[in-house]
Amino acid sequence: DTAVSQTPKYLVTQMGNDKSIKCEQNLGHDTMYWYKQDSKKFLKIMFSYNNKELIINETVPNRFSPKSPDKAHLNLHINSLELGDSAVYFCASSSATSGGHPSYNEQFFGPGTRLTVL
Amino acid sequence: KQEVTQIPAALSVPEGENLVLNCSFTDSAIYNLQWFRQDPGKGLTSLLLIQSSQREQTSGRLNASLDKSSGRSTLYIAASQPGDSATYLCAVKITGGFKTIFGAGTRLFVKA
Repeated sequence: DTAVSQTPKYLVTQMGNDKSIKCEQNLGHDTMYWYKQDSKKFLKIMFSYNNKELIINETVPNRFSPKSPDKAHLNLHINSLELGDSAVYFCASSSATSGGHPSYNEQFFGPGTRLTVL
Repeated sequence: KQEVTQIPAALSVPEGENLVLNCSFTDSAIYNLQWFRQDPGKGLTSLLLIQSSQREQTSGRLNASLDKSSGRSTLYIAASQPGDSATYLCAVKITGGFKTIFGAGTRLFVKA
């Protein structure tokens, strides 16, 4: 059973196109994230959603629009793709409520989506 | 502004050696610190999570410590194996528990 899944795994597209990446978690978590890992392998947070509400938006261009239809899904739509958008995008999830669980706020990552813009 | 630094950037050791990876952060007001490993072309695998109230966590051959006052964490790997070769990332959670800052990672190579 995959805890955090992303589709597609690879995405190759032309500049100017619009594309979406989907993320689903089956861990019952209430918080989901999108991260971007650039060519130098540096990971940077883009968005964070808690209970379907946007909590963190890290100065990402408004061409990027996250959407959370429910707590188990967080999709990322990118308009007018640019060369600089080429990267690996990771989805992650965690639980923001402890409930006495020792691993609350532990993040679990998806396998990543490698986006290449030509 | 929170900054996370990992030293060394890369490390090559012979199999069986014990080793320490270092992570430092500039603001001690953290929620937790998490260590991950990333294999080439793969996602991140959570290794250990230390809550802000804890000082260390252990899992198998791994031990992670946290000293908030000095802004440091170490990941100790005992009896290293070639399968431990990967990039190890340190991540600090701040801002109400929803924002995470990652270090640049330490690339570890364990020679057989």
